[in-house]
Amino acid sequence: AQSVTQPDIHITVSEGASLELRCNYSYGATPYLFWYVQSPGQGLQLLLKYFSGDTLVQGIKGFEAEFKRSQSSFNLRKPSVHWSDAAEYFCAVGEEKGAQKLVFGQGTRLTINP
Amino acid sequence: DSGVTQTPKHLITATGQRVTLRCSPRSGDLSVYWYQQSLDQGLQFLIQYYNGEERAKGNILERFSAQQFPDLHSELNLSSLELGDSALYFCASSVEGLRTDTQYFGPGTRLTVL
Repeated sequence: AQSVTQPDIHITVSEGASLELRCNYSYGATPYLFWYVQSPGQGLQLLLKYFSGDTLVQGIKGFEAEFKRSQSSFNLRKPSVHWSDAAEYFCAVGEEKGAQKLVFGQGTRLTINP
Repeated sequence: DSGVTQTPKHLITATGQRVTLRCSPRSGDLSVYWYQQSLDQGLQFLIQYYNGEERAKGNILERFSAQQFPDLHSELNLSSLELGDSALYFCASSVEGLRTDTQYFGPGTRLTVL
């Protein structure tokens, strides 16, 4: 069965610093990968997704992610964080067969220091 | 605003009771998904409907049931509630329920069972 691991439960960075959130997946074939963000009291918003093609994916709000098959990773990056980026970030993989259900990681909570 | 609406926002009830959560998908979306977010289990897929038919089932308890109506709105029914059912319940929708579809999430219904 597919699984997603986000090794970092909580990360704190300073405003203006670069950010990398880690995501490792377990999957048999080519995965469908997603990053979602959840702000307090809000639903989940899609940042970006990868299905195939270019392994560097650009998303909204200045985020990007790189798919590395050899490392089974799909890390999320941002060159310079803003205070408004403070939120919980979820990596997810789409189910291999049948209908589309998402398997989520446990999430990484991002805190921004002023 | 994702275009997915969920009511109510908050629900407080007692053990043993039954509640109904409602979801209206984005205009034009045929598929609806239900997810449960709890502290111990994280974000878990419960069930998916496509155009009124059940398409996929996840870790949904037998005490829980769902349906999608002809107008495409969906309801999640939770019965014989237990303390452990306290969680945030998300509805998401997508155009066709395919693996390549983006799932758009609603703001969630927070259920508290006392």
